[in-house]
Amino acid sequence: AQSVTQPDIHITVSEGASLELRCNYSYGATPYLFWYVQSPGQGLQLLLKYFSGDTLVQGIKGFEAEFKRSQSSFNLRKPSVHWSDAAEYFCAADNTGGFKTIFGAGTRLFVKA
Amino acid sequence: SQTIHQWPATLVQPVGSPLSLECTVEGTSNPNLYWYRQAAGRGLQLLFYSVGIGQISSEVPQNLSASRPQDRQFILSSKKLLLSDSGFYLCAWRVAGAKDTQYFGPGTRLTVL
Repeated sequence: AQSVTQPDIHITVSEGASLELRCNYSYGATPYLFWYVQSPGQGLQLLLKYFSGDTLVQGIKGFEAEFKRSQSSFNLRKPSVHWSDAAEYFCAADNTGGFKTIFGAGTRLFVKA
Repeated sequence: SQTIHQWPATLVQPVGSPLSLECTVEGTSNPNLYWYRQAAGRGLQLLFYSVGIGQISSEVPQNLSASRPQDRQFILSSKKLLLSDSGFYLCAWRVAGAKDTQYFGPGTRLTVL
């Protein structure tokens, strides 16, 4: 079955430190991949997406993600975290039919001063 | 540009009462529409999706229903709410037939007492 796994329920990093959020997918073929961010009490906002081509994808707010086919991974990174990055992050992938997006369970990011 | 609206923003309802949440999209035609629910501390659960007027697909059998009376209107309903219906309800849209970004509304916080 198609699935998206985010192994870390929550992560705490210090402000200014680097960040990596993990995401693994299980699909028959390479799906379209996304990272969304959700601030408390709000809807989700797209950070970046990967369809094909360059495996390092740049997004908004200084985030980037790297697609690794051999590891079935699409990890999100940021070199220096700001306190405003505290939020919940969702990795997602499209199913082959194109109607539905499958979301991971989310990783909540805490930023300490 | 496209916008998506949800109302109400918050709702407190007694157990056994009916429910109607509304979602409308502006600036696009024939979108795919989605209802998700987030229970406290949990990820996104897809409830319903629609690829056209009157076409509803249910992902999770429960006491909720959805309708799409107009192209850009998506309604989530219940005849009798349960305590377990409490959560954060998100509506989203995407371009029909495209494996692409979903755009989320601001959400409705529902508390069933």
